[in-house]
Amino acid sequence: QKEVEQDPGPLSVPEGAIVSLNCTYSNSAFQYFMWYRQYSRKGPELLMYTYSSGNKEDGRFTAQVDKSSKYISLFIRDSQPSDSATYLCAVLAGGTSYGKLTFGQGTILTVHP
Amino acid sequence: GAVVSQHPSRVICKSGTSVKIECRSLDFQATTMFWYRQFPKKSLMLMATSNEGSKATYEQGVEKDKFLINHASLTLSTLTVTSAHPEDSSFYICSARSGRGGNEQFFGPGTRLTVL
Repeated sequence: QKEVEQDPGPLSVPEGAIVSLNCTYSNSAFQYFMWYRQYSRKGPELLMYTYSSGNKEDGRFTAQVDKSSKYISLFIRDSQPSDSATYLCAVLAGGTSYGKLTFGQGTILTVHP
Repeated sequence: GAVVSQHPSRVICKSGTSVKIECRSLDFQATTMFWYRQFPKKSLMLMATSNEGSKATYEQGVEKDKFLINHASLTLSTLTVTSAHPEDSSFYICSARSGRGGNEQFFGPGTRLTVL
């Protein structure tokens, strides 16, 4: 079993739709959660960072963490064609993990006009 | 803030040559930098963790003599692919972790290496 599972998609939605991206993780040692967006042939861009259960909102993006279920989500409201990219969830253990992120497989999202 | 640059963005070299890739944190000091490799349509694979002033820690299966990492300052880490071969062709990405205790990692734009 992989430490982080993410549906690779691809996911295709019309412009304006609400997008839901999800990851599950298996190790309760993971305490910090990140979502990255990666455009083709570019480095990942940090979208959201959170460390507690609940919701965190930033503009059209909402990150949700449920530590009891080991489930993290990213919601994108009013999706735009410019949101078309690969979205990667990443988790980080606390303590002496030295910052090693564990990534999901990435979900390819296409928002069509 | 939190900008990480990489140079070069793209390099093509002949088999057997060595290639150096630079990773710089432009507006913060990074005590720890990470080097990843990414294959097409795949997620990132961590190669090594680089701490300023000490030897890099390599992940299992990564040849440390082939992928030399140097983290000489708080803003610069380099990855040298020695005696490159076509199977080393890949997208190499670095990330930097802020030295102020934060857990966020900020990624560079990546370097596309093609070995002929």
